Amino acid sequence: QQQVKQSPQSLIVQKGGISIINCAYENTAFDYFPWYQQFPGKGPALLIAIRPDVSEKKEGRFTISFNKSAKQFSLHIMDSQPGDSATYFCAASRNAGNNRKLIWGLGTSLAVNP
Amino acid sequence: DTAVSQTPKYLVTQMGNDKSIKCEQNLGHDTMYWYKQDSKKFLKIMFSYNNKELIINETVPNRFSPKSPDKAHLNLHINSLELGDSAVYFCASSTTGYTQYFGPGTRLTVL
Repeated sequence: QQQVKQSPQSLIVQKGGISIINCAYENTAFDYFPWYQQFPGKGPALLIAIRPDVSEKKEGRFTISFNKSAKQFSLHIMDSQPGDSATYFCAASRNAGNNRKLIWGLGTSLAVNP
Repeated sequence: DTAVSQTPKYLVTQMGNDKSIKCEQNLGHDTMYWYKQDSKKFLKIMFSYNNKELIINETVPNRFSPKSPDKAHLNLHINSLELGDSAVYFCASSTTGYTQYFGPGTRLTVL
């Protein structure tokens, strides 16, 4: 059972456009929601993360919007660039002592056309 | 300096063979992980060690055996390799369990 559902599976955006990737979760005990970015041939790398006590977090062109009541969070990439073309993963985790485990979405392949 | 390194980067082998993948991190982190990423990019956690103690052991065939000689190293040994083991294997490390730092991956191809 997929505890973190991510959509869309793939996304094509024109340069300068806005890319939006959505995730929904089920476990209300989750208290940490990161987004990872993975380029071909590389390992995933943390892009931005949010805790459920805020509704939005912005870092440069990347923004996470968080809706606790709807159990949804999304990544917005403003002014998308060809260099943003990558696979994006949302994830969630909860406090379990030293056993904090990330539950991953299935990933979204983003292509930004020049 | 590479934060999380893995060797080898590519591994091509025959079915039935035994192989190992090594991982080292120089970040001083206490927790290390092994992930498997299949051809559809799905990331599946396999194991996690905290200070050399196994803390996450997902449903993984017992042909896979992790070993952590110290908290900077986590190796993965795979016995009797099968076609379905072909994937990219990532090592990661973390100090708090929040941000995980991934290695470059080892692409395993079983023929």
